[in-house]
Amino acid sequence: RKEVEQDPGPFNVPEGATVAFNCTYSNSASQSFFWYRQDCRKEPKLLMSVYSSGNEDGRFTAQLNRASQYISLLIRDSKLSDSATYLCVVNGRSNAGNMLTFGGGTRLMVKP
Amino acid sequence: GAGVSQSPSNKVTEKGKDVELRCDPISGHTALYWYRQSLGQGLEFLIYFQGNSAPDKSGLPSDRFSAERTGGSVSTLTIQRTQQEDSAVYLCASSPGGGRWNTEAFFGQGTRLTVV
Repeated sequence: RKEVEQDPGPFNVPEGATVAFNCTYSNSASQSFFWYRQDCRKEPKLLMSVYSSGNEDGRFTAQLNRASQYISLLIRDSKLSDSATYLCVVNGRSNAGNMLTFGGGTRLMVKP
Repeated sequence: GAGVSQSPSNKVTEKGKDVELRCDPISGHTALYWYRQSLGQGLEFLIYFQGNSAPDKSGLPSDRFSAERTGGSVSTLTIQRTQQEDSAVYLCASSPGGGRWNTEAFFGQGTRLTVV
């Protein structure tokens, strides 16, 4: 089992739709969680951190479920500019110490 | 301040030649990661440094790949006897690392390697 798993998609949604991505992680000792965004031919950049109580940033909501070991990202009122790959990232103690592990990414395509 | 810097930004090399890719992390960042990404594919983890040591090098695809980090700063990724399947974008990222939690990683813009 991969340490961080995501559905690769693509998720094809119309403008204005609400879309949600899930990500599961295997290391129960993980403490920090992030969502990154990667545009085509660009490097990944931090979208938002994920806090235990859940957090919201405009149209984006991130949630953490420790019991089931998954995090989610909800995007409301999708825009064309939201089209990108969304990467789930987990930072947790392992044999390699405090190391970030990236999921394979979920591709989102927002259509007019 | 300066972000993660990678050089060269583009490299075209002939099959069988050796190449060196360089990463200058953000000053003070102890954790450094190398990934590669083929066109349309996800990130493929290569190696992780904490300081000068590499506690996880499990992602290096073959013994033609090696990486080092000196002075807890600059890292070089070396690919010997390059093959066409090595063509990809090689991304470096750094983060404060150590015992600190909730610290994000910052990526460089990558080196696009083309083996002809």
